[in-house]
Amino acid sequence: EVQLVESGGGLVQPGGSLRLSCAASGFTFSSYWMSWVRQAPGKGLEWVANIKQDGSEKYYVDSVKGRFTISRDNAKNSLYLQMNSLRAEDTAVYYCARVGSGYYSSWGQGTLVTVSS
Amino acid sequence: SYVLTQPPSVSVAPGQTARITCGGNNIGSKSVHWYQQKPGQAPVLVVYDDSDRPSGIPERFSGSNSGNTATLTISRVEAGDEADYYCQVWDSSSDHRGVFGGGTKLTVL
Repeated sequence: EVQLVESGGGLVQPGGSLRLSCAASGFTFSSYWMSWVRQAPGKGLEWVANIKQDGSEKYYVDSVKGRFTISRDNAKNSLYLQMNSLRAEDTAVYYCARVGSGYYSSWGQGTLVTVSS
Repeated sequence: SYVLTQPPSVSVAPGQTARITCGGNNIGSKSVHWYQQKPGQAPVLVVYDDSDRPSGIPERFSGSNSGNTATLTISRVEAGDEADYYCQVWDSSSDHRGVFGGGTKLTVL
């Protein structure tokens, strides 16, 4: 069974940093693109970042470029999102998602990031 | 960037058929995927590649895609189908992103 378990969310002040983690199991992690998708309170889904199987390609939504960094450790079956210079508008539930052929085939349960003073 | 447009809400009585649309420029040339999200839960893929269902998804869920509109159809709607539904396409032209519609709240009357 595919499992994705996020951790690392919490309350942080504007300008602060957080590192999210996603532990993957039940599939060959190194064979899949992976993504972070977020959902602000009461809002829709928004793609945040993608990373290729070997980490050689990374893509970000414009609003987080230069502030967020996606990475992965295939030996540990783990995905990460380093978030710096956090803003109130980054407040959201952050989901780790496995990428299938153009769709998100599996999702974690999400971790809540709240940016507030 | 590519824009997907969904109606904010759709209401249907139990046992009837719900149709949720997703509009986009020439969306019929793209593969469309649909997710169901219940309150407090993560999204779940219910239809992929326009009309295919993942294992475990009831046959009541079906999809179609043509021209400028894709449609998710839920037959014999049940109370448990009440949820938000999102359409999604993949934009591989630049940053390999998933593009989501704004979501549709399905209310079962």
